[in-house]
Amino acid sequence: QKEVEQDPGPLSVPEGAIVSLNCTYSNSAFQYFMWYRQYSRKGPELLMYTYSSGNKEDGRFTAQVDKSSKYISLFIRDSQPSDSATYLCAMSVGGGSNYKLTFGKGTLLTVNP
Amino acid sequence: GAVVSQHPSRVICKSGTSVKIECRSLDFQATTMFWYRQFPKKSLMLMATSNEGSKATYEQGVEKDKFLINHASLTLSTLTVTSAHPEDSSFYICSASSGGSETQYFGPGTRLLVL
Repeated sequence: QKEVEQDPGPLSVPEGAIVSLNCTYSNSAFQYFMWYRQYSRKGPELLMYTYSSGNKEDGRFTAQVDKSSKYISLFIRDSQPSDSATYLCAMSVGGGSNYKLTFGKGTLLTVNP
Repeated sequence: GAVVSQHPSRVICKSGTSVKIECRSLDFQATTMFWYRQFPKKSLMLMATSNEGSKATYEQGVEKDKFLINHASLTLSTLTVTSAHPEDSSFYICSASSGGSETQYFGPGTRLLVL
């Protein structure tokens, strides 16, 4: 079993839809969770960073962590064509930027106008 | 702030040659830099972690004699793919951290094609 599992999609939704992206993990030592957005042929860009179970909201994005189920989600409200990208979950055992990240495979999202 | 650049963005080389990729933190001092490799439709795989002035720590299965990493200053790390072969063709991405930041900042990536 891989440490981090993420459905690669692809996921196609109409503009304005609510998007739900998910990852599961097996390593209970993971305590810090991130979501990155990666446009084609570009480096990943940090969207959300959380370290506690529960919800964290930032604009149209909500990150949800359930440590008891080892399950994290990213919700995108009022999705826009510019949200079309690959979304990667990532996690680490420690906080701070010096800890190595373990990534999911990424989910390719297309938002159709 | 927190901008990381990579050069070149794309490189094509012949099999057997060596290729050097640069990663620079433009507006902060990067105490730690990470090198990743990404295959199409695959996740980012960490290759190595380098701290300024120290030898890089390589992940299991990554050949340190093939992928030479140098982190000689707080703003520059280099990855040299030695004697490149077609199976080394991939997207190489670096990230940098200042230690005090919450997370790593990624460069735009370098696409390597070995013919």
